[in-house]
Amino acid sequence: EAGVAQSPRYKIIEKRQSVAFWCNPISGHATLYWYQQILGQGPKLLIQFQNNGVVDDSQLPKDRFSAERLKGVDSTLKIQPAKLEDSAVYLCASSPGTANQPQHFGDGTRLSIL
Amino acid sequence: QKEVEQNSGPLSVPEGAIASLNCTYSDRGSQSFFWYRQYSGKSPELIMFIYSNGDKEDGRFTAQLNKASQYVSLLIRDSQPSDSATYLCAGNSGGSNYKLTFGKGTLLTVNP
Repeated sequence: EAGVAQSPRYKIIEKRQSVAFWCNPISGHATLYWYQQILGQGPKLLIQFQNNGVVDDSQLPKDRFSAERLKGVDSTLKIQPAKLEDSAVYLCASSPGTANQPQHFGDGTRLSIL
Repeated sequence: QKEVEQNSGPLSVPEGAIASLNCTYSDRGSQSFFWYRQYSGKSPELIMFIYSNGDKEDGRFTAQLNKASQYVSLLIRDSQPSDSATYLCAGNSGGSNYKLTFGKGTLLTVNP
């Protein structure tokens, strides 16, 4: 079974620029998550999709972050404009979306803001 | 604010010893708990999960859950240098959205 695919693996941009990340979940997984992981901390949920609908985006800074999951499969996360504090690893995870099922993570995108 | 707290670490144990990683949670509605291992520069990798009170064993790993005390632990027997990593504890909130709340992680070093 193919895992969660993410791209790019690394991205370096200057502050106030924009950036986008892509995620392809495990086939058949209804739920997709985007996390932000700052060095030394656990992952923080940014947004959760169930199929192509948003379930939870309470911690998404909506003035600069946006995400979509068209057709209920792939997803993109965008930051515009980026700030220095956005430097982090952005992780995508997916799960079947049923009780007690684990989330499986992609390799993440390491974002550095100069 | 629903929180998951992990013992601060870092934790250092000699090769062959038992490593004990602990986690407490504030949300009594949490139904299941997950332990992830994260090597430096890598993404979290699921080790095991538990949702019933008691112990669950998988090879060298044993997860323990005590819902009355809101306490979860992970024991690693016969620790190996390859077990050196950050261990993340996560709790699944109650309700239908199965949202995970992660602790900050505990860095484990196994010394040869």
